[in-house]
Formats: sequence, structure tokens, C-alpha cells
Amino acid sequence: SYGLTQPPSVSVSPGQTASITCSGDKLEDKYISWYHQKPGQSPVLVIYEDNRRPSGIPERFSGSNSGNTATLTISGTQATDESTYYCQVWDSRTAWVFGGGTKLTVL
Amino acid sequence: EVQLVDSGGGLVQPGGSLRLSCAASGFPFSSYAMSWVRQAPGKGLEWVSGISGSGGRTYYADSVKGRVTVSRDNSKDTLYLQMNDLRDEDTAAYYCGKLSADFGDHFDSWGQGTQVIVSS
Repeated sequence: SYGLTQPPSVSVSPGQTASITCSGDKLEDKYISWYHQKPGQSPVLVIYEDNRRPSGIPERFSGSNSGNTATLTISGTQATDESTYYCQVWDSRTAWVFGGGTKLTVL
Repeated sequence: EVQLVDSGGGLVQPGGSLRLSCAASGFPFSSYAMSWVRQAPGKGLEWVSGISGSGGRTYYADSVKGRVTVSRDNSKDTLYLQMNDLRDEDTAAYYCGKLSADFGDHFDSWGQGTQVIVSS
């Protein structure tokens, strides 16, 4: 089955750029999506089709996907961005697949 | 505005059954695939099951295959998940998710979740 690997945690200072990675075999051949989820809340889509933002998601959120690694980048990170971030793809054998999640801490 | 309301969770003994529901509104329900995703306490998101807009295609994670059945009633704009032979490891918050299209690769809306606790 297809798998996605994320670092368990990432720390960033307010105003700096946070980068969260997601790794998978030939990941660039798939569209990747990113979600954030705060404790006790439902997930929220922040990036889809590698680098597209849904309406209402700030421009400081961006994405890229190349080779075996996709990256979610948050520029000018704010305290409100502290959350757990999940990557996700569709795989023809495994269907919808989520990464293990990365807890972003804004110090 | 898209709205998804999950319900049907509760406390059930191992080996028991539950049927979860997700009432949808604010979009043409039959035009979109839908899915169930769960989250065990303190863990990450795990996809469970999916169904096409017409209901003609269904998909299951290996962890639940043979024990759960996903269905939908497009006349009632409602998604269901029938769960049988429940195990301790099925304890989780269950979220319904709207896929981006029929057939969509990402989830653009989510329900609020319904809690399933499997315990004797």
C-alpha cells in the first residue's frame, strides 16, 4: 500500500517561514493536498492540487511537489497557524492516503 | 454554504454494531463522492471508506474491509456507515468528508465528527 511520511514536529518563530515536508514514492506523479487540524476541531483544507489555495486561505500558505517530496510552506507564520498539518493523496491501489501529521509549534 | 452533520456515534461493546449518518446540505449531494475518515484518540487521520456520487462504486480501507458498509441515500442527502463486529481499535472520532468532485482526490468540506467508543 502507498504511504506518506511526515516529520512529527516542526518549530518556527513568529514571522518566520515554516516548511513541512511529506515524502512518498514518486509523489510528484500525484496531486497532493494539505489540511490543518486544531485540537477538538475538524480538518480544514489549506492546499489542493499541489499548490492551489481554497477561498479563504491566506496567501502565506503555499505548496510545492517535486520528486518524492512535497512541501507546505507558511510564510510570515502567525501564532494562529499553530496546528497539526496532514498531507494527503489519492492512490489507485490504496485510495485516499494521509500522512501521519506534523505538529507545527510557533515559539 | 456546505454543511455536513455527523451523527450516530456512541458507546458499544466489542462485537457490536453502529450506523453512522452524515446529513448534507448546501450542494448537489448526488454529484459528489463522499467518504469517512476516522481519528483514534491522540492519533492521525485514517481514511476508512468512500463512495461515488451515484453510490455505484465503493472503497474500503483494509483495516475495515468486510466489517463496514458505506452507502448513501441521494433522495435524503445522507451518507451512512454501517459498522459491524466492532473492535477496540475502531474507537475514534469519525468524520464524513465531501470529495472535491465525482470522483475527487481531496476533501473540501468536513463534518464535525461523531465519537465511537468500543469498550466492554
